[in-house]
Amino acid sequence: AQSVAQPEDQVNVAEGNPLTVKCTYSVSGNPYLFWYVQYPNRGLQFLLKYITGDNLVKGSYGFEAEFNKSQTSFHLKKPSALVSDSALYFCAVRDPRNTPLVFGKGTRLSVIA
Amino acid sequence: DADVTQTPRNRITKTGKRIMLECSQTKGHDRMYWYRQDPGLGLRLIYYSFDVKDINKGEISDGYSVSRQAQAKFSLSLESAIPNQTALYFCATGDSISYEQYFGPGTRLTVT
Repeated sequence: AQSVAQPEDQVNVAEGNPLTVKCTYSVSGNPYLFWYVQYPNRGLQFLLKYITGDNLVKGSYGFEAEFNKSQTSFHLKKPSALVSDSALYFCAVRDPRNTPLVFGKGTRLSVIA
Repeated sequence: DADVTQTPRNRITKTGKRIMLECSQTKGHDRMYWYRQDPGLGLRLIYYSFDVKDINKGEISDGYSVSRQAQAKFSLSLESAIPNQTALYFCATGDSISYEQYFGPGTRLTVT
């Protein structure tokens, strides 16, 4: 069965600094990997995904993520954080057999002005 | 969020009551899902459906049931609500081409 680990419950970063939100996964076969963001009192919004191809994928709002097969990781990054990036971030994985997404527990990102 | 709607948005109910949460979508997706979100636990899958005649249990289906009334509608029922079902419930649809899931705004359910 697939699983996702987000080792940090909370990440704090100063505005303008680079940010990283970590994610590792376990899945049989090639992984389909996703990042979603949840703002207060809102549903989850899709940020980016890795299905195949280039290991560095770019998504919405200047976010990017790097797929590392040997480390089974898919860390979310942004070169320069904004206060408006403060939110709850979820990593998710599914396998190629069309199973539903399995989500991590989420990481709360706080960007301080 | 407007493509996936959930009703009600907030609900307070008492232990033992039956309650139904409704989800409708205009995205034309065959796949629909129900998740619950609890602080520190992330999102956990309750039930999912790949078409009108297909219903599958997820990780935490005990105490819940679902009905897929049409391609666009997927309802979640709590037959006899209990306090530990207090949570934020999300409906989602799935795009079989992009593999993405699209989420509704959520229903905050409190069972007293």
